[in-house]
Amino acid sequence: EIVMTQSPATLSVSPGERASLSCRASQSVSINLAWYQQKPGQAPRLLIYGAATRATGVPARFSGGGSGTEFTLTISSLHSEDFAFYYCQQYNNWPFLTFGGGTKVEIK
Amino acid sequence: EVHLVQSGAEVKQPGESLKISCEGSGFSFPNYWIGWVRQMPGKGLEWMGTIYPGDSDTRYSPSFQGQVTISTDTSISTAYLQWSSLKASDTAMYYCARQQGSYTDVRNFDYWGPGTLVTVSS
Repeated sequence: EIVMTQSPATLSVSPGERASLSCRASQSVSINLAWYQQKPGQAPRLLIYGAATRATGVPARFSGGGSGTEFTLTISSLHSEDFAFYYCQQYNNWPFLTFGGGTKVEIK
Repeated sequence: EVHLVQSGAEVKQPGESLKISCEGSGFSFPNYWIGWVRQMPGKGLEWMGTIYPGDSDTRYSPSFQGQVTISTDTSISTAYLQWSSLKASDTAMYYCARQQGSYTDVRNFDYWGPGTLVTVSS
């Protein structure tokens, strides 16, 4: 099983600031990596797939990068609606899909 | 427009059986893998398994193999997740989600249902 490790567990950021979230895979997943946003009481929402491709309707302030075992989700300037949980997920090792433990982005 | 509609919240006792559903619309249901994801209270996301409605090919996470059964009825564009004997530890939110790609090129989840809350308590 590929283990996905996200850091930090909690990120405290002020509105307007930049946030960088990390996701590390226990072995290479190429670029088969997605990021999801989840707000309290809501289902997850796809943000990024293929490590760096924004999903339809996702604002340009969200960007993804990395390949192999190291990935980053960057939010260039945090808006109030961006305070949420963020999860990475690898799909390289189909049919064994795994999620990271999540990062909570909270208001500083 | 793609939609996944899930059945309503359930409250069950330990040992009872349960089958929850996920109806898809706005896309060719037989031609997309449909997955189930568990989220226990205050915890993260866990992939349980995925089914390809076109031929009912089903893949399970090792953590959930033998614990649940995933099935589908393509005539009504619906996928199911079922338990034969619930435990208190099955209390969670369960999401269905469509996977991008094709039968042989399975990718990330792109559309998610709203979730079904299952509470198991005596």
